[in-house]
Amino acid sequence: TQLLEQSPQFLSIQEGENLTVYCNSSSVFSSLQWYRQEPGEGPVLLVTVVTGGEVKKLKRLTFQFGDARKDSSLHITAAQPGDTGLYLCAGLVRGGSNYKLTFGKGTLLTVNP
Amino acid sequence: NAGVTQTPKFRILKIGQSMTLQCTQDMNHNYMYWYRQDPGMGLKLIYYSVGAGITDKGEVPNGYNVSRSTTEDFPLRLELAAPSQTSVYFCASTPGQGVEQYFGPGTRLTVT
Repeated sequence: TQLLEQSPQFLSIQEGENLTVYCNSSSVFSSLQWYRQEPGEGPVLLVTVVTGGEVKKLKRLTFQFGDARKDSSLHITAAQPGDTGLYLCAGLVRGGSNYKLTFGKGTLLTVNP
Repeated sequence: NAGVTQTPKFRILKIGQSMTLQCTQDMNHNYMYWYRQDPGMGLKLIYYSVGAGITDKGEVPNGYNVSRSTTEDFPLRLELAAPSQTSVYFCASTPGQGVEQYFGPGTRLTVT
């Protein structure tokens, strides 16, 4: 079983601060997805990174895929209360003829106004 | 499009009871998944299906069964419910492997 470690597990910051969330593994992934989940709802995809070293930006969110495709980071600039939620990374691995997503445990972010 | 819908939203079961969690998608996706989410544990794959009539076990299949008679529906059956099955269950679908998975709103199940 491929293991994805996310850190930190919990993060509470003030509005306007910057933060970085990490997703690490000893396994190589075909691609890596980041999801955000709000209370009482299912996860929603933020971004997919595919190429080693790839950087993608989504407004104030910057996602990076490690060169070896084993790790990823999510950086949020000037966090806002609307960024509050559970951030999940998920790595895509091939098992036989099918691909499956392996999820990390998540980082619970609280942005206080 | 309604996307992925799940029923019920909440359910309390007694130990030993059975129930079926319903999942329907209207996006004509071939791939469908069932996950469970425990506090602080992320999402664990229970079963998945790559098309009507085809299902396979995920990481934590024990105590569950699935069927996929149509493209739209992917019900999850719990037989002889146990307290260890207390969790939030999410159904997801995707048009292809490796692309975005679309999740339903979840079913919160408590077994007492």
